[in-house]
Parts: sequence; structure tokens; C-alpha cells
Amino acid sequence: GQQLNQSPQSMFIQEGEDVSMNCTSSSIFNTWLWYKQDPGEGPVLLIALYKAGELTSNGRLTAQFGITRKDSFLNISASIPSDVGIYFCAGFTQGGSEKLVFGKGTKLTVNP
Amino acid sequence: ETGVTQTPRHLVMGMTNKKSLKCEQHLGHNAMYWYKQSAKKPLELMFVYNFKEQTENNSVPSRFSPECPNSSHLFLHLHTLQPEDSALYLCASSPAGDRGHYGYTFGSGTRLTVV
Repeated sequence: GQQLNQSPQSMFIQEGEDVSMNCTSSSIFNTWLWYKQDPGEGPVLLIALYKAGELTSNGRLTAQFGITRKDSFLNISASIPSDVGIYFCAGFTQGGSEKLVFGKGTKLTVNP
Repeated sequence: ETGVTQTPRHLVMGMTNKKSLKCEQHLGHNAMYWYKQSAKKPLELMFVYNFKEQTENNSVPSRFSPECPNSSHLFLHLHTLQPEDSALYLCASSPAGDRGHYGYTFGSGTRLTVV
């Protein structure tokens, strides 16, 4: 089945630093989504990407849909303590079933 | 209320108990999902319902029994669970047929502990 390889698995950074995480797959995706999960809560959609090469921002967050359609990255600039949580990439594959495939998540810790 | 609401938020049950998890969405979506989230594992899709009909059962043991009486409500009935079933159970919903555009909206989950 389709798999998403998300890295890094965890990150420990200082407040104010920039963060970058990415997802890759051997399959072609036609939609990429980035979710954030706060402790004890469900994932919340941050950014959705629909076209290869698309670059989308949401405040301090920026995500891109890779040109090959097999990868995506998420950047967080000037991190703050409330950025703590688990970030998931997810996507729908081209021509695949309409199930959302998830990465394993990147756990972000921000030290004040 | 808006969004996807799950109750209870926390549940502790013995292996011989029978309990149910409830999910309700007020988004007008027609597809609903149950996911299991265990520590250090990716989100595992358990069941999918489209327009109240179950369209996917991802090889889930029969001790988990879903029920979808209408497009707004989804239940997960639990009986004779094992300790390894302890996890966060997440419900999600999406517009059927256009889920690729919006993704899924998740509830806050039920933290289940089987003792």
C-alpha cells in the first residue's frame, strides 16, 4: 500500500528557531495536507496543497507540494512554545482509493 | 455545537466490560471514519462509512463493532477488549466525493485504557 516517509521523527529546538520537516513517498500524490496534533487532542488541518509546485503559507507556516508530486515539506519560522505538538503529513494518491494516507508524524518540542 | 464531537474524552474499562464510543458531526459531511492512534505508530484507519454504509473494514477484530445510524452519528461498540487495545480513538468526517479538497476533520478523540 501507499506509504509516507516523514522526517525527522522528533525535533528539539529553541524558541525563535526555524523548523523544517518533510514527507516523501514512492507514489504520486494529488493532494498533500499538513496537520498538527496538540497533546490530548485530534489532528487539526494546517495547510492543504493541490498542485505540483504549489507554495502556500499560513502565518508562520509555509508548505510546498513537490514538483515530482512525491514529496512535500513544511517550514515553521520563528518558533514559539505553542508550536509544540505532533505534525503529520497526509495525502491522497493519484488514481488510488480515496483514503487519506498519513505519515508517522514529527514530534516538535520548543524550549523557551 | 460545531465540528466533530467525541464522547467520552477518557474511558477506563475492564476486559470483560462493554462500552461504546460516540462521535457526532455538525458539518454536513457524509463520510465518517474511525482511527486508532497508538504510541509510536501511524494513525490506523479502522472503519469508513459513506452515506451510513460501511465501505471499509481494515481487518479490525470483531471485538470492535461500528454503527452509523445516520450521516451525523458514528458509534464504536467495544466488548472483551485486550490491554493492547488501549489507545486514542479518533473519529473524523469529510464531504463524500470531495474529500480530496478538504481532507478530514477530526474530533478530539477518546483516550481508552483497558485494564
